[in-house]
Amino acid sequence: GEDVEQSLFLSVREGDSSVINCTYTDSSSTYLYWYKQEPGAGLQLLTYIFSNMDMKQDQRLTVLLNKKDKHLSLRIADTQTGDSAIYFCAETLPGSARQLTFGSGTQLTVLP
Amino acid sequence: EADIYQTPRYLVIGTGKKITLECSQTMGHDKMYWYQQDPGMELHLIHYSYGVNSTEKGDLSSESTVSRIRTEHFPLTLESARPSHTSQYLCASSEGVTSGVYNEQFFGPGTRLTVL
Repeated sequence: GEDVEQSLFLSVREGDSSVINCTYTDSSSTYLYWYKQEPGAGLQLLTYIFSNMDMKQDQRLTVLLNKKDKHLSLRIADTQTGDSAIYFCAETLPGSARQLTFGSGTQLTVLP
Repeated sequence: EADIYQTPRYLVIGTGKKITLECSQTMGHDKMYWYQQDPGMELHLIHYSYGVNSTEKGDLSSESTVSRIRTEHFPLTLESARPSHTSQYLCASSEGVTSGVYNEQFFGPGTRLTVL
């Protein structure tokens, strides 16, 4: 199957860490991505991880991949109000004509 | 910054009108996509194209049609708009890589369509 699931909402206080979770069902995923959508805008690629990696760090962002559990997470350190947005995880499947399968999105709200 | 553009950004139109949503990219990408985004955030792929004169339907059935006469241009047309077509429409493009490899999609800002 090609289902990618995320929790819909997450609220954190400014300065705290945020962890956004994603589960997927197809173990043949080759690349997994995190996209960010700010209000009134399109999606923008934040980071990605290749399926043979467990972790990737990029400044305030840490991506963790647990292939056994088919679980992907995005941790944002020192969350700021500008991080408030919708976050989508996505996967690339071999042989998939549509290239990317997106999750349902997680609305992150950062409270002052 | 991605060079992919959508016009109009907002459109309010009456039932029964024909509309065309424009999407253009200047990156020379072969693959282009149209997504419909629910108010509840979920993205649904409605059309995609591998290149000029290639169009395919996506996962979500849509009454819209698309054309790809030029690499940079991928317009979406609704022959007769209905209130059920009210949604956000996002266009995206990516390089023409083979399936299963790294594939960053670049998104336009979207068109918010309201059909009264």
